[in-house]
Amino acid sequence: QVQLQESGPGLVKPSETLSLTCTVSGGSISNFYWSWFWQPPGKGLEWIGYVYYNGNTNYNPSFKGRVTISVDTSSNQFSLNLSSVTTADTAVYYCARGKYSGSFDYWGQGTLVTVSS
Amino acid sequence: QSALTQPRSVSGSPGQSVTLSCTGTSSDVGGYKYVSWYQQHPGKAPKLMIYDVSERPSGVPDRFSGSKSGNTASLTISGLQAEDEADYYCFSYAGSYTYVVFGGGTKLTVL
Repeated sequence: QVQLQESGPGLVKPSETLSLTCTVSGGSISNFYWSWFWQPPGKGLEWIGYVYYNGNTNYNPSFKGRVTISVDTSSNQFSLNLSSVTTADTAVYYCARGKYSGSFDYWGQGTLVTVSS
Repeated sequence: QSALTQPRSVSGSPGQSVTLSCTGTSSDVGGYKYVSWYQQHPGKAPKLMIYDVSERPSGVPDRFSGSKSGNTASLTISGLQAEDEADYYCFSYAGSYTYVVFGGGTKLTVL
């Protein structure tokens, strides 16, 4: 059974970089679109971007310029970096396994990141 | 502003059927057979309920069904149960450049 687990700081200061890692267990990281989502409090889900297992990336234009997603196949992990954060970036962040068709079959439990001084 | 339009709320009584809609364009919903639906209970991660318009992952009850007509996809839940009360999101593949677009979610209330 594939499992995903997010990890990283729960509190980040404004203007700093938010960094999260997703560890994949129970399956290979190959041939999937490893994605990050966010969900601000009380709001809907939004796709941030993906990294393909070969390192190719694609980002939601809303985040372009601030987001970097990378993969470490040797560790079965992929990571999210979101720079210059503001309080508006406070959200629950989810990692998920994506298919070519844009469906996401496995999700992490989510991690709340608060941006505050 | 989400690319796909979903009603903000829908309600139904136990045992009834409800249909949730998801409207896009010919560049996403209408252009591909790749619409997926997700159920999210409060404080929980989303769960894939339907993929490729009408396919159900293993373990999802057959009370959940998906369809598409033109630029609008639909999720129908028959025999509504209390545990179906949740938020539902639709996603659609939108080509290799955009990859995926999504709706703002529908809150389903079981009366």
